[in-house]
Amino acid sequence: EPEVTQTPSHQVTQMGQEVILRCVPISNHLYFYWYRQILGQKVEFLVSFYNNEISEKSEIFDDQFSVERPDGSNFTLKIRSTKLEDSAMYFCASTLVGAQGGEQYFGPGTRLTVT
Amino acid sequence: GQQVMQIPQYQHVQEGEDFTTYCNSSTTLSNIQWYKQRPGGHPVFLIQLVKSGEVKKQKRLTFQFGEAKKNSSLHITATQTTDVGTYFCQPGGYQKVTFGTGTKLQVIP
Repeated sequence: EPEVTQTPSHQVTQMGQEVILRCVPISNHLYFYWYRQILGQKVEFLVSFYNNEISEKSEIFDDQFSVERPDGSNFTLKIRSTKLEDSAMYFCASTLVGAQGGEQYFGPGTRLTVT
Repeated sequence: GQQVMQIPQYQHVQEGEDFTTYCNSSTTLSNIQWYKQRPGGHPVFLIQLVKSGEVKKQKRLTFQFGEAKKNSSLHITATQTTDVGTYFCQPGGYQKVTFGTGTKLQVIP
């Protein structure tokens, strides 16, 4: 069964450093998402991406964040200057149809720890 | 503003007891999805509800969409330890992609 993959599984970085989280969505999916989940809290939407551009973003997704689909398979989330409060699990998801009602397939997540 | 609340936030049940979580929206929804997240895992899609008053069943799980399409419920009959996890609703029709606050289920053997 096709699945979403994410690398690395765990990233430790110092405050102020840049990090890039990588995702490989399911190959025929068209919509891609990044979410974050602070330990013990709910899943928070960051951004959705379709047709090589951002289609929606949340208030969390400020100028420190960016997304890119550099080739036909990868989907990346970059945090330019990490803060302590960026420590969380980051999930990538993809779906064949639009977010407003499509089944989303989630990757296993990247645990980001900012020290 | 648009809000999605799930209740209860936590639920501990004895194995074999039933469990219900509710998802309530402040506005009418076009559809709703339910996800389960096991401890340490990622959200996994369970089901989508689209029609007013729709009821769908998956083995011991029963999902319902309210007549007004503003609320939904997930009911588990005779819980098992494998049901442990957090259950999230994800309403469709919101301008921003939103997950509910989640209900964390603990099953005591």
